[in-house]
Amino acid sequence: KAGVTQTPRYLIKTRGQQVTLSCSPISGHRSVSWYQQTPGQGLQFLFEYFSETQRNKGNFPGRFSGRQFSNSRSEMNVSTLELGDSALYLCASNTGDSGGPDTQYFGPGTRLTVL
Amino acid sequence: AQSVAQPEDQVNVAEGNPLTVKCTYSVSGNPYLFWYVQYPNRGLQFLLKYITGDNLVKGSYGFEAEFNKSQTSFHLKKPSALVSDSALYFCAVRDMGGTDKLIFGTGTRLQVFP
Repeated sequence: KAGVTQTPRYLIKTRGQQVTLSCSPISGHRSVSWYQQTPGQGLQFLFEYFSETQRNKGNFPGRFSGRQFSNSRSEMNVSTLELGDSALYLCASNTGDSGGPDTQYFGPGTRLTVL
Repeated sequence: AQSVAQPEDQVNVAEGNPLTVKCTYSVSGNPYLFWYVQYPNRGLQFLLKYITGDNLVKGSYGFEAEFNKSQTSFHLKKPSALVSDSALYFCAVRDMGGTDKLIFGTGTRLQVFP
């Protein structure tokens, strides 16, 4: 099976712009989660989608949003970019057995740099 | 609230020696615990997980982890380190709120010297 794929791998944006990141989960996986990784804050949970519904949300401002499509692919959007949004954005997928021991598999990430 | 702690920012070990990367957790109830490894400019790779049962869990690349309920620990171990094991290691616990959210530790950088 193909793994989790994320596009694009690298992005450079300027402050005030918006950006959309894409994630395609492993085939058959219905749950997609997003995490932000920065040197200062480490790995922080953004949100989780299952069957096109947001099931959980982390403590991020409303500028961060996401959605999931019927084929389980997910996008996240960040509007009005700030310098502090520079980070590695990781997507993970699993079958979606909520709260169970199912393993999350991660994609390679999208490196966002905000200038 | 659930949490995970990795007390060491960096662990240095000589190639061929055993290695241990420490992790302690704080959860209510029975935890689901995970170890992931991250190589430079890459995502996280799953190593192993503890669900229930045998306290010694074996995973990928010769790694294993020991679950200790009384000490609330889940330390990652390998009998003989390789230079290629040098990477960033993360311990994580599944949030018990009925979702798939993982709560990560701060990470431990493992450096294996030839």
